[in-house]
Amino acid sequence: DAGVIQSPRHEVTEMGQEVTLRCKPISGHNSLFWYRQTMMRGLELLIYFNNNVPIDDSGMPEDRFSAKMPNASFSTLKIQPSEPRDSAVYFCASTFQDRAGNTIYFGEGSWLTVV
Amino acid sequence: AQSVTQLDSQVPVFEEAPVELRCNYSSSVSVYLFWYVQYPNQGLQLLLKYLSGSTLVKGINGFEAEFNKSQTSFHLRKPSVHISDTAEYFCAVSVGGYQKVTFGTGTKLQVIP
Repeated sequence: DAGVIQSPRHEVTEMGQEVTLRCKPISGHNSLFWYRQTMMRGLELLIYFNNNVPIDDSGMPEDRFSAKMPNASFSTLKIQPSEPRDSAVYFCASTFQDRAGNTIYFGEGSWLTVV
Repeated sequence: AQSVTQLDSQVPVFEEAPVELRCNYSSSVSVYLFWYVQYPNQGLQLLLKYLSGSTLVKGINGFEAEFNKSQTSFHLRKPSVHISDTAEYFCAVSVGGYQKVTFGTGTKLQVIP
């Protein structure tokens, strides 16, 4: 079975450029998460969708970050304009939420470097 | 609010020795607890989880964890580690019907040959 698919796997971009990260969750899952991982801050939840609706975006660092989920099989995380401090690994994850405690499945991450 | 504390950022251990990775949580309500593992250059994957019932939970790759409500702990153990266990391990907690999972800062397990 296909897992959570993220693209691109690696991206190097210049400061000020727009970055778009993409995610295809596992088919049938109704909850999707975007996490950011850095050495300094560890694993941070940026935003959480349930049935394509953003439920909790309190982790989105600032207005430069935006996330969308136009349908159940696709989500994007956009950074505009990008800054060097945005360099991190961005993970997308999904689960089927019929109750709490369900396993969250992670993609392999998008490694972003902003120079 | 829920939180998770992993006191050890790095744990070196010799191959075939036992290991315990510590995790403490704080929450005012019932919790669900998880251990995830992250191998180099990969995403996280579930090792084991506690939802209810027996406080001793067995997971993949010979790992187990014990839920201790009085000590608010969920320590991960393995009686004999292998080189392939070298990875970063994350404890996590979620509360009630909300799928927001809070992760700890991670513990890097380094298995020494």
